[in-house]
Amino acid sequence: GDSVTQMEGPVTLSEEAFLTINCTYTATGYPSLFWYVQYPGEGLQLLLKATKADDKGSNKGFEATYRKETTSFHLEKGSVQVSDSAVYFCALQRDDKIIFGKGTRLHILP
Amino acid sequence: DVKVTQSSRYLVKRTGEKVFLECVQDMDHENMFWYRQDPGLGLRLIYFSYDVKMKEKGDIPEGYSVSREKKERFSLILESASTNQTSMYLCASSFRQRGTEAFFGQGTRLTVV
Repeated sequence: GDSVTQMEGPVTLSEEAFLTINCTYTATGYPSLFWYVQYPGEGLQLLLKATKADDKGSNKGFEATYRKETTSFHLEKGSVQVSDSAVYFCALQRDDKIIFGKGTRLHILP
Repeated sequence: DVKVTQSSRYLVKRTGEKVFLECVQDMDHENMFWYRQDPGLGLRLIYFSYDVKMKEKGDIPEGYSVSREKKERFSLILESASTNQTSMYLCASSFRQRGTEAFFGQGTRLTVV
């Protein structure tokens, strides 16, 4: 069945460091891909998305590119801030189903 | 503002009780979902529904059932609660259109004692 694998956390970085959180997927057909974020004490919310191969999603300085050849959707940010501390979830949508990865907790130190 | 509302933030139930978790959305979404969130396991799909009275099993449906009698409401039922169902339960909704985002409720933290 469909699945999403993302790097284990927690990930701890200093402010202004470069961030990469890896995400790969297994799915038949052409899923849409998403990154959701859960800030402390809050519900999940969409961070960015891409719906077809080579699409790049971006928001709040974060980017991810839909790579069909490597079945990946890695999340990147050039310079992280303390306020980016949260749990990040990679997800795929195919037909009516949405499948999430296990989440990656990110800590940013001032 | 879009809204997905779960009926309770915290619930404590006894083993063997029948438990109802309610979710209402006000966005006229076709799709609704129930997930459970556990540390180290992420979000796991229990059931989803793409229309009134329609339901599909997710990855972990055992011990759960659902009901969708109206478009805006999706209920998760634990027929006989067990301690291993202690978890955070998240409801979400979305349009059926490919590539549209899901909106989440605040979650219900259920403790079964």
